Amino acid sequence: GAVVSQHPSRVICKSGTSVKIECRSLDFQATTMFWYRQFPKQSLMLMATSNEGSKATYEQGVEKDKFLINHASLTLSTLTVTSAHPEDSSFYICSARGLSGAQANEKLFFGSGTQLSVL
Amino acid sequence: RKEVEQDPGPFNVPEGATVAFNCTYSNSASQSFFWYRQDCRKEPKLLMSVYSSGNEDGRFTAQLNRASQYISLLIRDSKLSDSATYLCVVNAKAAGNKLTFGGGTRVLVKP
Repeated sequence: GAVVSQHPSRVICKSGTSVKIECRSLDFQATTMFWYRQFPKQSLMLMATSNEGSKATYEQGVEKDKFLINHASLTLSTLTVTSAHPEDSSFYICSARGLSGAQANEKLFFGSGTQLSVL
Repeated sequence: RKEVEQDPGPFNVPEGATVAFNCTYSNSASQSFFWYRQDCRKEPKLLMSVYSSGNEDGRFTAQLNRASQYISLLIRDSKLSDSATYLCVVNAKAAGNKLTFGGGTRVLVKP
């Protein structure tokens, strides 16, 4: 079945460093990738939507220069948190919508999430 | 007002009991509705879609009330493994086909 592989699952980094998170769609082509952030005891908040080969669309209040999204192929999307600070510590999770067939409907396939802790 | 609102709970449920909770949405143009289950620090997993006529999947029953703009989830014969956060998700195609998540309702099933 359709799977989205996300890594790393956990990152601890120093303030000021950049962190890259990868999401790969396995066994299907992800035309659209959504990136979410979730703070403790809060809901998933959509950060941005990326379509393969085009620039990501960021939600209001999300800094595009800080959260760089690349969706260069139908199977890979990356989120880079640049110059991370403690307030960026959160659970980041991607989800993909597929190209055709069973994956072309509204059902999303989620990555397993990345817990980022910035010291 | 939030687009999708849920009672955060927690709902403390004795094992074997029935629990039900609602989710309200503000966009009357919303077209698709889902319940997801999320365990702590894990990815959400689709529990069930919600259809206009209501639908059932084993011990889980989902209902949609378009007039009052809410959906509901009922869990019968609760199991300890049902303890999780249940996320209400709404898709308004007019909003670019984005899924909007509610804040989640936490359910704790106790022996």
